[in-house]
Amino acid sequence: QKEVEQDPGPLSVPEGAIVSLNCTYSNSAFQYFMWYRQYSRKGPELLMYTYSSGNKEDGRFTAQVDKSSKYISLFIRDSQPSDSATYLCAMSAGGSEKLVFGKGTKLTVNP
Amino acid sequence: DTAVSQTPKYLVTQMGNDKSIKCEQNLGHDTMYWYKQDSKKFLKIMFSYNNKELIINETVPNRFSPKSPDKAHLNLHINSLELGDSAVYFCASSQNRASRYGYTFGSGTRLTVV
Repeated sequence: QKEVEQDPGPLSVPEGAIVSLNCTYSNSAFQYFMWYRQYSRKGPELLMYTYSSGNKEDGRFTAQVDKSSKYISLFIRDSQPSDSATYLCAMSAGGSEKLVFGKGTKLTVNP
Repeated sequence: DTAVSQTPKYLVTQMGNDKSIKCEQNLGHDTMYWYKQDSKKFLKIMFSYNNKELIINETVPNRFSPKSPDKAHLNLHINSLELGDSAVYFCASSQNRASRYGYTFGSGTRLTVV
C-alpha cells in the first residue's frame, strides 16, 4: 500500500461548481497536511496547510482532515477557470521527516 | 524577487552527456531539496541538504551528484545522461529540516534527453 493515495483524475467541472479533492494515507504518524496547486509548466505552490484533524477555511478553499479515517479533503467553492491546475496533497510526520506527496489530481474548470 | 530560482529552465541534450542544474534561494532557509517529477506528475524526492550537509539521499543512481557550496545554493550534476532521466527537476527549500510548514518550490528545469 502506498503511503499516500490520490485519484489522478482528470476532473472536469463547469464554472461555479463545488469541487472535492481527496487523499488517503496509511501512516498514522502524519500530522501536518498540505495542499499544493501546480499550474502547467510551473512549480507547486502551497495553497493550504493544516495541523492534525479539523477544518481550515481560506476564501473559497476549505481543507479538512479526518485523522481517524486517514482521509484529507480540499473543497473549492464557486470554482473558476483560473482554478484549473493539478492539486497535490502532501503530508509529514513532523520533526525531520520529509514531505510525502500524492500523485496529484488534474482539475479543469470549464467556463 | 524570485524566492527559489533554477537555471536553466529548459535543457535538451543527447544521451551520454553530462549536465548541471543550478538552484538558489533568497529566503534565508536552511534546507534545500531536489525533486524529480515524471510525466504522470508524481513528485519524488531525490536529495536534501541542511546547511550544506546531506540529510536525505533517496535511491538515486550515483550518476546524480548534488553539491551545496553554501546554504543558499544547491546544484545537481548528472553524468552519462539516459533517456529515462527526462523529467522536470524541481528545487525547493524550507525554513529548516522540519517539514511541517511545507516547502517553497522553484519553477522547474525541464530536461529532455534525446
